[in-house]
Amino acid sequence: ETGVTQSPTHLIKTRGQQVTLRCSSQSGHNTVSWYQQALGQGPQFIFQYYREEENGRGNFPPRFSGLQFPNYSSELNVNALELDDSALYLCASSPLVAGGRFSYNEQFFGPGTRLTVL
Amino acid sequence: SQQGEEDPQALSIQEGENATMNCSYKTSINNLQWYRQNSGRGLVHLILIRSNEREKHSGRLRVTLDTSKKSSSLLITASRAADTASYFCATDDSGAGSYQLTFGKGTKLSVIP
Repeated sequence: ETGVTQSPTHLIKTRGQQVTLRCSSQSGHNTVSWYQQALGQGPQFIFQYYREEENGRGNFPPRFSGLQFPNYSSELNVNALELDDSALYLCASSPLVAGGRFSYNEQFFGPGTRLTVL
Repeated sequence: SQQGEEDPQALSIQEGENATMNCSYKTSINNLQWYRQNSGRGLVHLILIRSNEREKHSGRLRVTLDTSKKSSSLLITASRAADTASYFCATDDSGAGSYQLTFGKGTKLSVIP
């Protein structure tokens, strides 16, 4: 069974640039969530994707956008990068049971992408 | 915004001692989970306790939940150097329309050999 993978591991960008981060969910998991973790803080929920549609969003501006593909992999796109976007970006996958309800809510996290904005 | 708040922010103990971390949260929850993170890497799920449970064990881990006080504790018994990591509590809010976890700021545990 393959775990959650993310690419790239590290990334350095400058202010105003755009970035795309990628995530492959764990086998059999159809839901992907993205979190931003600033240094010394806990992860903050950005958004979640299920069946290729956004299924909930945290308090992040529209320049944070995402995609989910038919194979359940996902991308996080951030436009017009700001210095405060420097963080560890975590992807997590989980299964969604039939009927649209989660029977339990363990999420499986990838190793993260460390984004530095200069 | 952060839902949970872990206490203490940092904890340093000798190998073999027990480590206790606490978490408080603000709103009604479906369940509460504890995660571990090593050196700014991905999070590893440790244990989940549902809102109708009061205590749960997994190996050297013991978690308690007091919904009346909106608090939880994580006890690691007979700590090892490999337990050195940051520990986060995360809540799944009852009212959220989608499934999302709200994390605290974490407790940084150092276990000295």
